[in-house]
Amino acid sequence: AQSVTQLGSHVSVSEGALVLLRCNYSSSVPPYLFWYVQYPNQGLQLLLKYTSAATLVKGINGFEAEFKKSETSFHLTKPSAHMSDAAEYFCAVIEGGSEKLVFGKGTKLTVNP
Amino acid sequence: DAEITQSPRHKITETGRQVTLACHQTWNHNNMFWYRQDLGHGLRLIHYSYGVQDTNKGEVSDGYSVSRSNTEDLPLTLESAASSQTSVYFCASSSTGSTDTQYFGPGTRLTVL
Repeated sequence: AQSVTQLGSHVSVSEGALVLLRCNYSSSVPPYLFWYVQYPNQGLQLLLKYTSAATLVKGINGFEAEFKKSETSFHLTKPSAHMSDAAEYFCAVIEGGSEKLVFGKGTKLTVNP
Repeated sequence: DAEITQSPRHKITETGRQVTLACHQTWNHNNMFWYRQDLGHGLRLIHYSYGVQDTNKGEVSDGYSVSRSNTEDLPLTLESAASSQTSVYFCASSSTGSTDTQYFGPGTRLTVL
């Protein structure tokens, strides 16, 4: 069964610093991978998704992620953190043969001034 | 604009009571999903539907039920609320296809006393 592991439940960066949120997946078939963001007291919003086209995927708010099959990874990056990026980020994979998402446990990003 | 709404946004109930959480989408999506979000667990799938009259159990379906009588609505019922069901509940919808984005509602915070 497909699954995702997010390394680090909490990540703290300074404003202007690089943001790197890690996600590794487990899948026996080429996966479809997603990153969602959740701001406090809100629902989830799609940041970006990988659907087997380009391996470097650009999303909203300056985020991007690179699909690396050899490393089974789909890490999320942003070159320069902004205070408004403080949120919880979820990596997810489509369960094979279905249209269901399997989520990681999330990484809470704190941005310090 | 199309949207997905949930009601109520907050609910306090007592152990043993039946509770129904509403989810309504105007995207005309075939797929609808219910998740619960708990600290340390991320989002876990409760029930899902791929169309009218179709319902399926997810990862944590015990104590919950859904019915799909039209495209727009997928109400979630807790037959006999338990304290373990205190959580934040999210509804989502997507069009048909594994790569389609799931759009999330704002969530319902349920407290069972």
